[in-house]
Amino acid sequence: NAGVTQTPKFRILKIGQSMTLQCTQDMNHNYMYWYRQDPGMGLKLIYYSVGAGITDKGEVPNGYNVSRSTTEDFPLRLELAAPSQTSVYFCASSYLQGANGYTFGSGTRLTVV
Amino acid sequence: SQELEQSPQSLIVQEGKNLTINCTSSKTLYGLYWYKQKYGEGLIFLMMLQKGGEEKSHEKITAKLDEKKQQSSLHITASQPSHAGIYLCGADITGNQFYFGTGTSLTVIP
Repeated sequence: NAGVTQTPKFRILKIGQSMTLQCTQDMNHNYMYWYRQDPGMGLKLIYYSVGAGITDKGEVPNGYNVSRSTTEDFPLRLELAAPSQTSVYFCASSYLQGANGYTFGSGTRLTVV
Repeated sequence: SQELEQSPQSLIVQEGKNLTINCTSSKTLYGLYWYKQKYGEGLIFLMMLQKGGEEKSHEKITAKLDEKKQQSSLHITASQPSHAGIYLCGADITGNQFYFGTGTSLTVIP
């Protein structure tokens, strides 16, 4: 049982480049989330999904896109990377929203130069 | 504005000392969660509190949700270097979105 798997763990992008952060969970959780964590700012919700085919914006969605074609996968897309997107990104999942806590991936450290 | 305020922002304690971290909301909390994050790693779920006055313990960590359900405290007894990391509270405040606190960085000096 792998839980929530995120790839890659580290990435350096040039301004204007695009990339996809992958997130997969094998717990059959309905809810999946993408957060970014900036120093001193805690975790901010980017996008979330309540099930396959359904996504919604969180607090800081600008510059990102997501899709949820399957229950297991919830990739996060950065189309035109900007230095402001330098952060640590965490994917999480839960069976019900907030119930029994979230299961988090190990994070992706992204630097945009 | 931050929905959940944590205090202190950082804490440095000598091994063996007790410490308390607070998490405060201006609104009623529909479930309060505590997580621990080791530096550079993902978050680990510690415990969840739902009822006003509820208190839970896990090893040397105790968390309590106050009666009005707007504040929670996390208390560590006889701290050890293994307790070092970032502690985050999380809560469903509005009923449909989950928020995290700003985090408390804990350093335990051997």
